[in-house]
Amino acid sequence: KAGVTQTPRYLIKTRGQQVTLSCSPISGHRSVSWYQQTPGQGLQFLFEYFSETQRNKGNFPGRFSGRQFSNSRSEMNVSTLELGDSALYLCASRYDKNTEAFFGQGTRLTVV
Amino acid sequence: LAKTTQPISMDSYEGQEVNITCSHNNIATNDYITWYQQFPSQGPRFIIQGYKTKVTNEVASLFIPADRKSSTLSLPRVSLSDTAVYYCLVGPLYSGGGADGLTFGKGTHLIIQP
Repeated sequence: KAGVTQTPRYLIKTRGQQVTLSCSPISGHRSVSWYQQTPGQGLQFLFEYFSETQRNKGNFPGRFSGRQFSNSRSEMNVSTLELGDSALYLCASRYDKNTEAFFGQGTRLTVV
Repeated sequence: LAKTTQPISMDSYEGQEVNITCSHNNIATNDYITWYQQFPSQGPRFIIQGYKTKVTNEVASLFIPADRKSSTLSLPRVSLSDTAVYYCLVGPLYSGGGADGLTFGKGTHLIIQP
């Protein structure tokens, strides 16, 4: 069974640009969550999508947004990039609440 | 949310048993204890989960005393490849707190030496 796939693996963007990251969950999983990991703040929850609806949201500015498609694939978008947005962005898929979450390998975003 | 406290780092040697303790004094009655492992530039991976007493799987054991205010992850006969960050999470089944989002602390950076 294929795992969680995130694309691209690495990305370099310039301040002020926007970026879109993609996550394909494990087949049959309906929930996709996104996390930001930085050395200073650790792993922080961004948001979760379930059946194309945002079910929960962490404490991040509105520049961070996401969506989920009918096939459960999800994208997250960051607009007006700042240097501090440089991080490893991870997505996790699971069937539903109270089931095991499986993480992808992440997208390493560098903002210059 | 039950806050967790675990050592920032630990060192050990190949072949040794490693025990990482996590404190969670305000754990709720319906909370579970879940441990994740993370290698550099990879996503966390579920290791083990328990509610009380002892749980064992092919990777690790989890010891939880009767008062459930702490727990100990035990890794038998570690190897160099066990060098990673280990996170202790406390919350609903498989969720580790934070509504639907997993709430990770700083974790314990375990370094295994030859």
